[in-house]
Amino acid sequence: AQSVTQPDIHITVSEGASLELRCNYSYGATPYLFWYVQSPGQGLQLLLKYFSGDTLVQGIKGFEAEFKRSQSSFNLRKPSVHWSDAAEYFCAVGGTTSGTYKYIFGTGTRLKVLA
Amino acid sequence: NAGVTQTPKFRVLKTGQSMTLLCAQDMNHEYMYWYRQDPGMGLRLIHYSVGEGTTAKGEVPDGYNVSRLKKQNFLLGLESAAPSQTSVYFCASSPGTGYTFGSGTRLTVV
Repeated sequence: AQSVTQPDIHITVSEGASLELRCNYSYGATPYLFWYVQSPGQGLQLLLKYFSGDTLVQGIKGFEAEFKRSQSSFNLRKPSVHWSDAAEYFCAVGGTTSGTYKYIFGTGTRLKVLA
Repeated sequence: NAGVTQTPKFRVLKTGQSMTLLCAQDMNHEYMYWYRQDPGMGLRLIHYSVGEGTTAKGEVPDGYNVSRLKKQNFLLGLESAAPSQTSVYFCASSPGTGYTFGSGTRLTVV
């Protein structure tokens, strides 16, 4: 069965500290992988995506993620967190099953940034 | 540069009432989706469409109907609203790789 697990419901970091948000997935074929960010009361914005090729993917706002097939993981990282990064982050996985491009989302990790 | 537009943004319904949520995209995307977001549950797929005139059930379709009569529009209907349908509803469109989301509709059923 296809699934996405984000083990951390809440994470708190100090401004300027490094960040890693975890994402593990289960998918039968080569997956498409995504990270989205949602600010309070807003829609979801795409941070980055992985389809194939280089397993280290760069995204917007200084974020990056690394695809590790052997660990079925796609963790999101940022070297130095800014207060404006406080938001909820969602990992998603999917593919081209029957040409539908449906994606499954994790339950999210809420990031709090301390000044 | 509208992207995906959802209307209305907020709505309060009484149990048993009906309503339609409208999603419009101006990017000529083939694929459109309706998700609901509930605390601690992430986003769950309600219905989706792979092109004009097509619709299909997602993970949680019960109590909802959809239509895609025009490529740019994807309508989500609630025929008889229930309190369990209180949620935030997001529409998304896609050219096949990656979604563009609307800003959501917050629906409360009392």
